[in-house]
Amino acid sequence: GNSVTQMEGPVTLSEEAFLTINCTYTATGYPSLFWYVQYPGEGLQLLLKATKADDKGSNKGFEATYRKETTSFHLEKGSVQVSDSAVYFCALSDGTGFQKLVFGTGTRLLVSP
Amino acid sequence: DTAVSQTPKYLVTQMGNDKSIKCEQNLGHDTMYWYKQDSKKFLKIMFSYNNKELIINETVPNRFSPKSPDKAHLNLHINSLELGDSAVYFCASSYNQNEQFFGPGTRLTVL
Repeated sequence: GNSVTQMEGPVTLSEEAFLTINCTYTATGYPSLFWYVQYPGEGLQLLLKATKADDKGSNKGFEATYRKETTSFHLEKGSVQVSDSAVYFCALSDGTGFQKLVFGTGTRLLVSP
Repeated sequence: DTAVSQTPKYLVTQMGNDKSIKCEQNLGHDTMYWYKQDSKKFLKIMFSYNNKELIINETVPNRFSPKSPDKAHLNLHINSLELGDSAVYFCASSYNQNEQFFGPGTRLTVL
């Protein structure tokens, strides 16, 4: 079945450091890929998405590129802020019928001043 | 505010009790979902309804019964609660297979 694998956290960075959170997936067909963010005590919010190979999703300084050849969708940000501290979830939708999201286990990011 | 709302936010109860969690969306969406997030933050879909019709039913104990009285509401009823049911339950909604919007979650603690 479809699955998503994320790097284990927590990822601890200083403010203005470069961020990479790895995400790889296993899927049949042509899934859409997503990054969701969960701030403390809140629900998930869509951060960015990509629906086909080589698409780049971007939002709030975060970027991720849909790489079909490596089945990856790594999240990057050039300069993190304390306010980026949250749990980040990589997810895929198999694109068949209604959007059934399969999530990775989440990666906690802690940014210190 | 346009949003997905859930009640209650926190629910503490004894093993064996029956409880319900309510979800409402005023976004005009046609599809609603229930997800369970365990203590390790792992998030897994449980159910999905489209226009009040059940379309996704993952391997969930039949103690869990979703009910959708209309397109804007999807409630989750849990019978005979067990310790392992302790988790955060998220409701979400979407329109026509597009982005899912999540509610703030309901933290269920079974003692």
